[in-house]
Amino acid sequence: SQTIHQWPATLVQPVGSPLSLECTVEGTSNPNLYWYRQAAGRGLQLLFYSVGIGQISSEVPQNLSASRPQDRQFILSSKKLLLSDSGFYLCAWSARENQPQHFGDGTRLSIL
Amino acid sequence: RKEVEQDPGPFNVPEGATVAFNCTYSNSASQSFFWYRQDCRKEPKLLMSVYSSGNEDGRFTAQLNRASQYISLLIRDSKLSDSATYLCVVNRGSYIPTFGRGTSLIVHP
Repeated sequence: SQTIHQWPATLVQPVGSPLSLECTVEGTSNPNLYWYRQAAGRGLQLLFYSVGIGQISSEVPQNLSASRPQDRQFILSSKKLLLSDSGFYLCAWSARENQPQHFGDGTRLSIL
Repeated sequence: RKEVEQDPGPFNVPEGATVAFNCTYSNSASQSFFWYRQDCRKEPKLLMSVYSSGNEDGRFTAQLNRASQYISLLIRDSKLSDSATYLCVVNRGSYIPTFGRGTSLIVHP
């Protein structure tokens, strides 16, 4: 069966520090991969998605970037975090278009 | 009109009650539909897909009305553990599904 791993679960970072969140999927090949952010009490905001190695589509211009160095690995990064980057970050995968997404446990990021 | 709309609630119901949520979508070309459940401070989890003929999973029944462009979720015999936010998801055949903002359900003793 397929599983998705996302870490760390929680992270507290100072303003201006770098960020790297990692997500890996097991048990499937060539998944579609997604990064979302959810602010407290708000809906899901799609940040990036990828349909293949090295292919990244950005939905919202911002202080973040994403990379997909391997088929089942998706990384969310920032060179300098802002206070507004705080939130709940979720990685998800799907088998193909029109299929449901499956989410990792999420990373709760607090910027001080 | 938003692409996917849900009543945010909260819906406050007693244990054992039947409760129903609707979700409307604006794009008539939408092809796939899902309900997710999200507990407080947790990730969304797939509850069930929604099929054209309607489908049932235990106490949960999902239906699709293409003519009126909405999907529904019916929960029978509500349990305290059903308290959560229920997210409607619509996909129009792309890699990017559209999530509703969710409907909050509170089941009380």
